[in-house]
Amino acid sequence: SAVISQKPSRDICQRGTSLTIQCQVDSQVTMMFWYRQQPGQSLTLIATANQGSEATYESGFVIDKFPISRPNLTFSTLTVSNMSPEDSSIYLCSVEGGTSGTDTQYFGPGTRLTVL
Amino acid sequence: GESVGLHLPTLSVQEGDNSIINCAYSNSASDYFIWYKQESGKGPQFIIDIRSNMDKRQGQRVTVLLNKTVKHLSLQIAATQPGDSAVYFCAENSGGYQKVTFGTGTKLQVIP
Repeated sequence: SAVISQKPSRDICQRGTSLTIQCQVDSQVTMMFWYRQQPGQSLTLIATANQGSEATYESGFVIDKFPISRPNLTFSTLTVSNMSPEDSSIYLCSVEGGTSGTDTQYFGPGTRLTVL
Repeated sequence: GESVGLHLPTLSVQEGDNSIINCAYSNSASDYFIWYKQESGKGPQFIIDIRSNMDKRQGQRVTVLLNKTVKHLSLQIAATQPGDSAVYFCAENSGGYQKVTFGTGTKLQVIP
Protein backbone atom coordinates (compact mmCIF):
# COMPACT_ATOMS: atom_id res chain seq x y z
CA SER A 1 0.00 0.00 0.00
CA ALA A 2 1.01 3.63 -0.52
CA VAL A 3 2.76 5.61 2.19
CA ILE A 4 0.86 8.79 2.91
CA SER A 5 2.03 11.76 4.97
CA GLN A 6 0.19 14.86 6.07
CA LYS A 7 1.33 18.26 7.25
CA PRO A 8 0.77 19.67 9.76
CA SER A 9 0.02 16.77 12.09
CA ARG A 10 -1.90 19.13 14.36
CA ASP A 11 -2.59 22.82 14.73
CA ILE A 12 -4.45 25.26 16.92
CA CYS A 13 -5.91 28.16 14.98
CA GLN A 14 -7.86 31.31 15.67
CA ARG A 15 -11.38 31.87 14.50
CA GLY A 16 -11.59 33.52 11.09
CA THR A 17 -8.22 32.32 9.83
CA SER A 18 -7.50 29.64 7.23
CA LEU A 19 -5.30 26.56 7.33
CA THR A 20 -3.92 24.60 4.41
CA ILE A 21 -3.29 20.90 4.96
CA GLN A 22 -0.87 19.04 2.71
CA CYS A 23 -1.06 15.39 1.67
CA GLN A 24 1.90 13.65 0.05
CA VAL A 25 1.89 10.13 -1.39
CA ASP A 26 4.96 8.07 -2.24
CA SER A 27 3.50 6.80 -5.49
CA GLN A 28 1.36 8.20 -8.27
CA VAL A 29 -2.37 7.82 -7.72
CA THR A 30 -5.28 8.95 -9.82
CA MET A 31 -7.73 9.74 -7.07
CA MET A 32 -7.23 11.30 -3.68
CA PHE A 33 -9.92 11.83 -1.09
CA TRP A 34 -10.37 14.22 1.82
CA TYR A 35 -12.35 13.23 4.89
CA ARG A 36 -13.39 14.96 8.07
CA GLN A 37 -13.69 13.13 11.39
CA GLN A 38 -15.39 15.19 14.05
CA PRO A 39 -14.73 14.37 17.71
CA GLY A 40 -16.05 10.94 18.60
CA GLN A 41 -17.54 10.46 15.15
CA SER A 42 -16.99 8.42 12.04
CA LEU A 43 -15.41 9.67 8.83
CA THR A 44 -17.31 11.85 6.38
CA LEU A 45 -16.12 12.38 2.83
CA ILE A 46 -15.55 16.03 1.97
CA ALA A 47 -14.44 15.74 -1.64
CA THR A 48 -12.69 13.66 -4.26
CA ALA A 49 -9.69 15.18 -6.02
CA ASN A 50 -8.49 14.04 -9.43
CA GLN A 51 -5.34 15.44 -10.93
CA GLY A 52 -6.05 18.06 -13.54
CA SER A 53 -9.70 18.60 -12.78
CA GLU A 54 -11.89 20.34 -10.26
CA ALA A 55 -12.58 18.47 -7.05
CA THR A 56 -15.99 16.85 -6.61
CA TYR A 57 -17.63 17.89 -3.34
CA GLU A 58 -20.09 15.90 -1.28
CA SER A 59 -23.38 17.28 -0.08
CA GLY A 60 -22.84 19.81 2.68
CA PHE A 61 -19.33 20.78 1.61
CA VAL A 62 -18.52 23.68 -0.73
CA ILE A 63 -15.44 24.82 -2.57
CA ASP A 64 -15.40 28.27 -0.97
CA LYS A 65 -15.07 26.72 2.47
CA PHE A 66 -12.81 23.78 1.54
CA PRO A 67 -10.79 24.65 -1.57
CA ILE A 68 -8.69 21.75 -2.80
CA SER A 69 -5.67 21.66 -5.07
CA ARG A 70 -4.32 18.63 -6.93
CA PRO A 71 -1.32 19.82 -8.91
CA ASN A 72 0.14 16.38 -9.62
CA LEU A 73 -0.36 12.66 -9.04
CA THR A 74 1.38 12.56 -5.66
CA PHE A 75 0.18 15.69 -3.86
CA SER A 76 -2.96 17.48 -2.76
CA THR A 77 -3.92 20.27 -0.38
CA LEU A 78 -7.12 21.01 1.50
CA THR A 79 -7.73 24.49 2.88
CA VAL A 80 -10.15 25.06 5.72
CA SER A 81 -11.24 28.67 5.20
CA ASN A 82 -12.61 31.25 7.61
CA MET A 83 -12.48 28.75 10.43
CA SER A 84 -14.90 28.52 13.33
CA PRO A 85 -14.80 26.24 16.40
CA GLU A 86 -17.19 23.88 14.55
CA ASP A 87 -14.36 23.12 12.13
CA SER A 88 -12.37 21.48 14.91
CA SER A 89 -11.87 17.97 13.59
CA ILE A 90 -9.38 15.47 12.30
CA TYR A 91 -8.86 15.93 8.56
CA LEU A 92 -7.66 12.87 6.67
CA CYS A 93 -6.54 12.28 3.14
CA SER A 94 -6.74 8.91 1.49
CA VAL A 95 -5.81 7.33 -1.82
CA GLU A 96 -7.19 4.45 -3.79
CA GLY A 97 -5.42 1.13 -3.47
CA GLY A 98 -4.16 1.20 -7.00
CA THR A 99 -3.82 -2.55 -7.47
CA SER A 100 -6.01 -4.34 -9.95
CA GLY A 101 -9.55 -4.91 -8.83
CA THR A 102 -9.23 -3.24 -5.47
CA ASP A 103 -11.41 -0.44 -4.25
CA THR A 104 -9.60 -0.11 -0.97
CA GLN A 105 -8.62 3.30 0.32
CA TYR A 106 -5.53 3.86 2.40
CA PHE A 107 -5.33 6.74 4.82
CA GLY A 108 -2.81 9.26 5.99
CA PRO A 109 -2.23 9.87 9.70
CA GLY A 110 -4.58 12.84 9.82
CA THR A 111 -4.33 16.50 10.80
CA ARG A 112 -5.84 17.37 14.16
CA LEU A 113 -7.28 20.87 13.98
CA THR A 114 -8.51 22.87 16.95
CA VAL A 115 -10.15 26.21 16.32
CA LEU A 116 -10.41 28.61 19.25
CA GLY B 1 -6.03 12.82 24.72
CA GLU B 2 -7.60 11.77 21.46
CA SER B 3 -11.29 12.21 20.85
CA VAL B 4 -11.72 9.31 18.44
CA GLY B 5 -14.10 6.80 19.96
CA LEU B 6 -15.30 9.12 22.70
CA HIS B 7 -19.00 8.63 21.96
CA LEU B 8 -18.89 5.30 20.18
CA PRO B 9 -20.35 1.99 21.40
CA THR B 10 -17.76 0.04 23.32
CA LEU B 11 -16.99 -3.66 23.36
CA SER B 12 -14.88 -4.90 26.27
CA VAL B 13 -13.14 -8.23 25.83
CA GLN B 14 -10.78 -10.22 28.01
CA GLU B 15 -7.33 -10.74 26.56
CA GLY B 16 -7.19 -14.10 24.80
CA ASP B 17 -10.91 -14.25 24.11
CA ASN B 18 -12.43 -13.87 20.67
CA SER B 19 -14.03 -10.56 19.68
CA ILE B 20 -16.97 -10.05 17.38
CA ILE B 21 -17.71 -6.58 16.07
CA ASN B 22 -20.92 -6.09 14.14
CA CYS B 23 -21.99 -3.62 11.50
CA ALA B 24 -25.23 -3.01 9.66
CA TYR B 25 -24.81 -1.42 6.27
CA SER B 26 -27.40 0.63 4.48
CA ASN B 27 -27.02 0.26 0.73
CA SER B 28 -28.20 -3.01 -0.79
CA ALA B 29 -26.25 -2.08 -3.95
CA SER B 30 -22.94 -2.06 -2.09
CA ASP B 31 -20.64 -4.70 -3.50
CA TYR B 32 -17.43 -4.22 -1.56
CA PHE B 33 -16.87 -3.98 2.18
CA ILE B 34 -13.86 -3.06 4.24
CA TRP B 35 -12.94 -3.15 7.91
CA TYR B 36 -10.61 -0.47 9.24
CA LYS B 37 -8.83 -0.19 12.59
CA GLN B 38 -8.11 3.26 13.98
CA GLU B 39 -5.74 3.54 16.89
CA SER B 40 -5.55 6.66 18.99
CA GLY B 41 -3.78 9.45 17.12
CA LYS B 42 -3.62 7.59 13.82
CA GLY B 43 -5.50 7.33 10.58
CA PRO B 44 -7.67 4.30 9.77
CA GLN B 45 -5.69 1.20 8.88
CA PHE B 46 -6.98 -1.40 6.42
CA ILE B 47 -7.63 -4.77 8.07
CA ILE B 48 -9.58 -6.95 5.67
CA ASP B 49 -12.07 -6.67 2.85
CA ILE B 50 -14.75 -8.78 1.22
CA ARG B 51 -16.72 -8.61 -2.00
CA SER B 52 -20.43 -9.24 -2.22
CA ASN B 53 -19.97 -12.53 -4.07
CA MET B 54 -18.46 -14.01 -0.91
CA ASP B 55 -19.89 -14.59 2.56
CA LYS B 56 -16.66 -15.22 4.45
CA ARG B 57 -13.05 -14.26 4.18
CA GLN B 58 -10.22 -15.03 6.55
CA GLY B 59 -7.01 -13.22 7.28
CA GLN B 60 -4.44 -13.51 9.99
CA ARG B 61 -6.46 -13.79 13.25
CA VAL B 62 -9.36 -11.97 11.60
CA THR B 63 -12.44 -13.19 9.76
CA VAL B 64 -15.08 -11.11 8.03
CA LEU B 65 -18.58 -12.47 7.55
CA LEU B 66 -21.10 -10.96 5.17
CA ASN B 67 -24.84 -11.58 5.27
CA LYS B 68 -26.38 -9.77 2.34
CA THR B 69 -29.90 -10.90 3.20
CA VAL B 70 -29.96 -8.78 6.33
CA LYS B 71 -27.23 -6.34 5.25
CA HIS B 72 -24.94 -7.31 8.09
CA LEU B 73 -21.20 -7.45 8.32
CA SER B 74 -19.09 -8.75 11.20
CA LEU B 75 -15.42 -8.81 12.09
CA GLN B 76 -14.14 -11.63 14.24
CA ILE B 77 -10.78 -11.30 15.97
CA ALA B 78 -9.31 -14.47 17.40
CA ALA B 79 -7.30 -14.49 20.61
CA THR B 80 -7.71 -10.76 21.17
CA GLN B 81 -4.56 -8.96 22.28
CA PRO B 82 -4.02 -5.59 23.99
CA GLY B 83 -2.72 -4.25 20.68
CA ASP B 84 -6.15 -4.84 19.19
CA SER B 85 -7.59 -2.05 21.34
CA ALA B 86 -8.81 0.56 18.87
CA VAL B 87 -11.89 1.87 17.12
CA TYR B 88 -13.11 -0.38 14.31
CA PHE B 89 -15.05 0.94 11.34
CA CYS B 90 -16.86 -0.95 8.65
CA ALA B 91 -17.08 0.73 5.28
CA GLU B 92 -19.09 0.00 2.17
CA ASN B 93 -18.53 0.80 -1.47
CA SER B 94 -21.36 0.78 -3.98
CA GLY B 95 -19.06 0.86 -6.97
CA GLY B 96 -18.29 3.66 -9.35
CA TYR B 97 -15.34 5.76 -8.35
CA GLN B 98 -14.42 4.06 -5.10
CA LYS B 99 -16.60 6.25 -2.93
CA VAL B 100 -16.49 4.63 0.48
CA THR B 101 -19.12 5.23 3.16
CA PHE B 102 -18.10 4.61 6.75
CA GLY B 103 -20.21 3.12 9.51
CA THR B 104 -20.42 4.62 12.98
CA GLY B 105 -17.59 2.61 14.53
CA THR B 106 -17.09 0.42 17.60
CA LYS B 107 -14.47 0.92 20.26
CA LEU B 108 -12.78 -2.32 21.31
CA GLN B 109 -11.23 -2.38 24.77
CA VAL B 110 -9.07 -5.36 25.62
CA ILE B 111 -8.83 -6.13 29.30
CA PRO B 112 -5.44 -7.59 30.25
